[in-house]
Amino acid sequence: TQLLEQSPQFLSIQEGENLTVYCNSSSVFSSLQWYRQEPGEGPVLLVTVVTGGEVKKLKRLTFQFGDARKDSSLHITAAQPGDTGLYLCAGANTNAGKSTFGDGTTLTVKP
Amino acid sequence: DAGITQSPRYKITETGRQVTLMCHQTWSHSYMFWYRQDLGHGLRLIYYSAAADITDKGEVPDGYVVSRSKTENFPLTLESATRSQTSVYFCASSDVGPGNTIYFGEGSWLTVV
Repeated sequence: TQLLEQSPQFLSIQEGENLTVYCNSSSVFSSLQWYRQEPGEGPVLLVTVVTGGEVKKLKRLTFQFGDARKDSSLHITAAQPGDTGLYLCAGANTNAGKSTFGDGTTLTVKP
Repeated sequence: DAGITQSPRYKITETGRQVTLMCHQTWSHSYMFWYRQDLGHGLRLIYYSAAADITDKGEVPDGYVVSRSKTENFPLTLESATRSQTSVYFCASSDVGPGNTIYFGEGSWLTVV
């Protein structure tokens, strides 16, 4: 069983601060995704990374896939209250169909 | 653009009763999934299906039954509901391929009393 560990589990910060959340595994994945879930809704895809060392930016969010494709990080610059939510990482292997999800990081950004 | 819809959105049932959660997707995606989400556990895969008439167990299949007679529908049945099955259930779908996006429904809140 491939496991993904996310840290920290909970994070509460003030608006304008920077933060990084981590997603680590002992297994190699062919791709890794980050999802964001708001209360009362299903998760929504933010980004997919597929190449070791890949960095993708989505406005104030920067995603990195580790060189060995075992870990990933999500960095948010100048966090805003609208960034509040549950951030989930999910790893998949080629044509496996199903993904493995981490337990998530609950982020609260206070105005 | 209906996407993926779940019903009912909210359900309260009694211990021992059978409950079916419905899931319908309009994209003709090959894969469909059922997850449950509990506080502190993230998303746990119950069952998934790679195509019509093909289903496989996930991490926590005990007490659940699925079927997929049509590509677009993937109902989840709790044969005899228990209080430990109180949870939020998410149906999802995706196409095959590396890095494929998983599209989630809005969730079904189930309480077993």
